[in-house]
Amino acid sequence: QQPVQSPQAVILREGEDAVINCSSSKALYSVHWYRQKHGEAPVFLMILLKGGEQKGHEKISASFNEKKQQSSLYLTASQLSYSGTYFCGTEQRNRDDKIIFGKGTRLHILP
Amino acid sequence: GAGVSQSPSNKVTEKGKDVELRCDPISGHTALYWYRQSLGQGLEFLIYFQGNSAPDKSGLPSDRFSAERTGGSVSTLTIQRTQQEDSAVYLCASSPGQGALTQYFGPGTRLTVL
Repeated sequence: QQPVQSPQAVILREGEDAVINCSSSKALYSVHWYRQKHGEAPVFLMILLKGGEQKGHEKISASFNEKKQQSSLYLTASQLSYSGTYFCGTEQRNRDDKIIFGKGTRLHILP
Repeated sequence: GAGVSQSPSNKVTEKGKDVELRCDPISGHTALYWYRQSLGQGLEFLIYFQGNSAPDKSGLPSDRFSAERTGGSVSTLTIQRTQQEDSAVYLCASSPGQGALTQYFGPGTRLTVL
């Protein structure tokens, strides 16, 4: 079951905030967030395990609400380098289950 | 250390030909994934290898697609009788497996079927 990401695309000015959502119709074990810049491979951002975990990485943080089967990625005071496509990936059953990625959210930061 | 490598980086083939794409995962990584990414699209799961377990082939789009992983290391994705809709970037990722969940992606192989 592929997770659903929203919005599909976001355009921001440098310094503005953004939230990217990822939801699943199935119970989740973990949620993974990756960023892919044009022409490059996806790069790992963070993983959240079930338990309502919230993580932060500089000005990029995420939350995971396992009861709602959803995760949100928060980008605060966005920088030009944040531009790219953000993918969430979900594991449904356990740590050895495969990861299924959403279709991605394209983020474009304007100077 | 060395990351995930894939070869070739680009492959142009004629419709109906068979192609083989290679992935060298990070040494010691037990988990290996193949994904397909069409232009402007998301990451489409194809197949997942975890240790000595039977691979999860649930994402393979047709029986023209197959993959092997020899000796728990190198993997080859084979596409038989290629079609134009097979054109995409094929990405491989590896992970240390149970207990560590980060995936490390290779640079991908861009396949163009004429």
